[in-house]
Amino acid sequence: KNEVEQSPQNLTAQEGEFITINCSYSVGISALHWLQQHPGGGIVSLFMLSSGKKKHGRLIATINIQEKHSSLHITASHPRDSAVYICAVNGYGTASKLTFGTGTRLQVTL
Amino acid sequence: NAGVTQTPKFQVLKTGQSMTLQCAQDMNHEYMSWYRQDPGMGLRLIHYSVGAGITDQGEVPNGYNVSRSTTEDFPLRLLSAAPSQTSVYFCASSHSWLWDNEQFFGPGTRLTVL
Repeated sequence: KNEVEQSPQNLTAQEGEFITINCSYSVGISALHWLQQHPGGGIVSLFMLSSGKKKHGRLIATINIQEKHSSLHITASHPRDSAVYICAVNGYGTASKLTFGTGTRLQVTL
Repeated sequence: NAGVTQTPKFQVLKTGQSMTLQCAQDMNHEYMSWYRQDPGMGLRLIHYSVGAGITDQGEVPNGYNVSRSTTEDFPLRLLSAAPSQTSVYFCASSHSWLWDNEQFFGPGTRLTVL
């Protein structure tokens, strides 16, 4: 079993829909990261969080440390949100190494 | 700031050839890492460095060498390329602080080994 599991693996939504991507992990962590990768493109950091909730524009990330679970929400989805969303964690007490989930491929159609 | 830069963007090698993937960052980050990304798998850590002169192995280090002589540069060397090393390689850097280690990734190098 992978240390970081994401669901769903693939997601198709219509423009305007509210989207949720889930991430569960099995180890103690210092922080959890949400990353975005566009097709053929590089990887950018969306959020880093160790507790609570963060919001940036239409994106919201939450984490529940006790349940070892995080969610990434996209409100009012748009075709430009189509990308792979990756969850990654820093093991407890370390900022130097990340363990990654396999990603959620999101396609938003008109 | 240029952020994290990687060269080359694309490379084709023959089995047995050696080469170096370059990575540089201009943000004075302590931590630098190399990952490979293969279809259907998450990014996997090859080697990482917590500062100049200090490197360590990650999850999949075999066939790769690294060195960190300066804070800015972290090259990845393929000693004798094999088809199994066909992959997309990403370099990343961050500060060392537990409360703020936002990851910055390079654009990637797509490597094909024939």
